[in-house]
Amino acid sequence: KQEVTQIPAALSVPEGENLVLNCSFTDSAIYNLQWFRQDPGKGLTSLLLIQSSQREQTSGRLNASLDKSSGRSTLYIAASQPGDSATYLCAVRPWDQCGSEKLVFGKGTKLTVNP
Amino acid sequence: GAVVSQHPSWVICKSGTSVKIECRSLDFQATTMFWYRQFPKQSLMLMATSNEGSKATYEQGVEKDKFLINHASLTLSTLTVTSAHPEDSSFYICSAREFETQYFGPGTRLLVL
Repeated sequence: KQEVTQIPAALSVPEGENLVLNCSFTDSAIYNLQWFRQDPGKGLTSLLLIQSSQREQTSGRLNASLDKSSGRSTLYIAASQPGDSATYLCAVRPWDQCGSEKLVFGKGTKLTVNP
Repeated sequence: GAVVSQHPSWVICKSGTSVKIECRSLDFQATTMFWYRQFPKQSLMLMATSNEGSKATYEQGVEKDKFLINHASLTLSTLTVTSAHPEDSSFYICSAREFETQYFGPGTRLLVL
């Protein structure tokens, strides 16, 4: 059974700092991995999607890496801003021969960027 | 970009009543929609996969008679929590698939008293 773990559960940094969020998954048989942002009481916004054949994806100040063999992904945020404060969720889509599109989520890392 | 809406955004209901939550894809058609539940400080857990024109596929441990799903059109799926109880209080989020990507709705917060 696929399990996704995110460390740390919460992180508080001063504005301008570069930071890394970690995600690990137990089964390397994945179709893709996705990072989401969730603001309090809100839905999810997709940030980056990495296919299993890819090693990293970049969007603006965000860079996500994927090491499928070790079951790890990192989300790097450069020059953090108070507006980056949110909960960041990692989700994997397991490779399922039956074509399941199920996403398995971690519990998230709550990020606070202090002005 | 693709937009998914949910209605209502929050609802308080009395124990024993039923509540319906709507999920709509606003600018695209979605043959497949997903319903998730999120308890405080917990992961999103997939409840069921909703397929237009056919029966929903429920995850293990999710009661299909309690959580009724109807995907009547390519832009609308509904989740009805029947005979809701306080333990059903949670944040319910839907997503709709367009090509390879799932787009998530803003969520519905349900409080059962």
